[in-house]
Amino acid sequence: DVKVTQSSRYLVKRTGEKVFLECVQDMDHENMFWYRQDPGLGLRLIYFSYDVKMKEKGDIPEGYSVSREKKERFSLILESASTNQTSMYLCASRERTGSTDTQYFGPGTRLTVL
Amino acid sequence: AQSVAQPEDQVNVAEGNPLTVKCTYSVSGNPYLFWYVQYPNRGLQFLLKYITGDNLVKGSYGFEAEFNKSQTSFHLKKPSALVSDSALYFCAVSDYKLSFGAGTTVTVRA
Repeated sequence: DVKVTQSSRYLVKRTGEKVFLECVQDMDHENMFWYRQDPGLGLRLIYFSYDVKMKEKGDIPEGYSVSREKKERFSLILESASTNQTSMYLCASRERTGSTDTQYFGPGTRLTVL
Repeated sequence: AQSVAQPEDQVNVAEGNPLTVKCTYSVSGNPYLFWYVQYPNRGLQFLLKYITGDNLVKGSYGFEAEFNKSQTSFHLKKPSALVSDSALYFCAVSDYKLSFGAGTTVTVRA
């Protein structure tokens, strides 16, 4: 089974703090993604990565950055946390072969910025 | 640009009755379509996908979905709902990234 883990289930930070959210997958997938989930808005893509050291902006990248130094690990960084970044953050890893294309999600990190 | 729409915020059904969660899509080219489910305080779980082939796709937990190209729809169905099916359901469409609908909350009452 594919396993995607996220470093924290719940996180509380203060405005202006630098926040790191970590995601690790164990299936050697090249593609990894960071989403945020807000009620009534579904999931929105923040950033994704095609491979190590490669990243591309998603639909809502403002206020975020990412790092992918190793294939199994994809980090989301909030340089200076703000209250409007309070949300559920979901990481995903993508399995893509000739006959399949499926994203597997981690359990999520619920971030509260005070 | 690709997108999906889930026209119902909530669906309420009695246990044992059929369950349908609606989804329509907009893409250029052939769509890759997905359904995911999120149980309370859990991450998203993959239910099923349509890439090509039969229009009726069978997935996990007794769910199935029907791809209808003329109506650009991909509705999720279950013939007999269970209380344990109560969850948040997301439809998604993919090219190089997944685009999600806003989600539909399903409540199955005993």
